[in-house]
Amino acid sequence: KQEVTQIPAALSVPEGENLVLNCSFTDSAIYNLQWFRQDPGKGLTSLLLIQSSQREQTSGRLNASLDKSSGRSTLYIAASQPGDSATYLCAVRTTGSARQLTFGSGTQLTVLP
Amino acid sequence: ETGVTQSPTHLIKTRGQQVTLRCSSQSGHNTVSWYQQALGQGPQFIFQYYREEENGRGNFPPRFSGLQFPNYSSELNVNALELDDSALYLCASSLLDRASSGANVLTFGAGSRLTVL
Repeated sequence: KQEVTQIPAALSVPEGENLVLNCSFTDSAIYNLQWFRQDPGKGLTSLLLIQSSQREQTSGRLNASLDKSSGRSTLYIAASQPGDSATYLCAVRTTGSARQLTFGSGTQLTVLP
Repeated sequence: ETGVTQSPTHLIKTRGQQVTLRCSSQSGHNTVSWYQQALGQGPQFIFQYYREEENGRGNFPPRFSGLQFPNYSSELNVNALELDDSALYLCASSLLDRASSGANVLTFGAGSRLTVL
């Protein structure tokens, strides 16, 4: 059974700092990995999708990497801003259960002005 | 292009009651998935509907049921509500084709917040 873990559970940084969020998964047989952002009480906004054959994806100040063999992904946020404050979730689609995404519990990020 | 819309946004029920949540898929999508997100947790997969039939289910009891309509909209029904059913219920739509072997990208709605008292 796939399990996804995100560390740390919460993170507080001053504005302008570069930061890294971590995601690990137990079953490396995945189709893809996706990073989402969730604002309080809201739905999910997709940030980046990495296919299993890819090593990284970039969008603006965000860069996500994938090391499938070790079961790890990182989300790098450059020059953080208060508007980046949200919960960041990673999710994997496993080949053995392709109908579903398996999510981690998220990292709650606070960027202080 | 419209996104995924869910209704109602908030509702309160009492234990033992039944609830129906609704979801309109993004234009061009043919698959709907439902997820339950308890406070402080990641979403948990409930089930997926494709061509009006359930084609994948997570670890949820039969009192969680659903429907998909010919226009690809969907309903989630929960019977005999329990306190632990209090959560944010998220609907996601996608375009599933055989070539992708299920590796379809989901677009999520804003969710329906259910409180069971």
